[in-house]
Amino acid sequence: DTGVSQDPRHKITKRGQNVTFRCDPISEHNRLYWYRQTLGQGPEFLTYFQNEAQLEKSRLLSDRFSAERPKGSFSTLEIQRTEQGDSATYLCASTQTESPDTQYFGPGTRLTVL
Amino acid sequence: AQSVTQPDIHITVSEGASLELRCNYSYGATPYLFWYVQSPGQGLQLLLKYFSGDTLVQGIKGFEAEFKRSQSSFNLRKPSVHWSDAAEYFCAVGARNTGNQFYFGTGTSLTVIP
Repeated sequence: DTGVSQDPRHKITKRGQNVTFRCDPISEHNRLYWYRQTLGQGPEFLTYFQNEAQLEKSRLLSDRFSAERPKGSFSTLEIQRTEQGDSATYLCASTQTESPDTQYFGPGTRLTVL
Repeated sequence: AQSVTQPDIHITVSEGASLELRCNYSYGATPYLFWYVQSPGQGLQLLLKYFSGDTLVQGIKGFEAEFKRSQSSFNLRKPSVHWSDAAEYFCAVGARNTGNQFYFGTGTSLTVIP
């Protein structure tokens, strides 16, 4: 069990640029979640997948955000035309559908938009 | 609306002293309750969880929590704090019928003094 991994760990970008983050869940986990955490706050739900299907999206996920999980394994989160307000840590978590919902989190990707 | 409240933003305790971190939740469905710990630059690590049954649950690192339905609380306790316990602690609530997305509190930052 290698745990949930995320890449990159840190990303600095200029306003208006596009960025993409990757999450690799625990291999046997069917569900994958994305959260956003800003300084001094708890994580906030963005979206989740069951296998390759995106089942729910938060209102926090504006049109500039898109997430995919094309083969039901790893997932990507893309932010287009980044804004300074997008600066946050983006967390990924995974869980087995059948288990009572313990989510295992990755280390996160810290995004800084200049 | 679902919400989690952690009333204490920051707590300082002496090493060896007892600890209690408060968590109150508001949730329409039958909740699952979790405590996670986050050290600087690290991901969220699960301390313990409550799904059903015995309302006093034991976790890792000597932590325990008690679910009190009448008070909508799930407070975290440790009888004797170690310096390595200094971290940010998050209470979270989830439920199977809401896609299992978690709602997190804003966290309690714990400082341990020698």
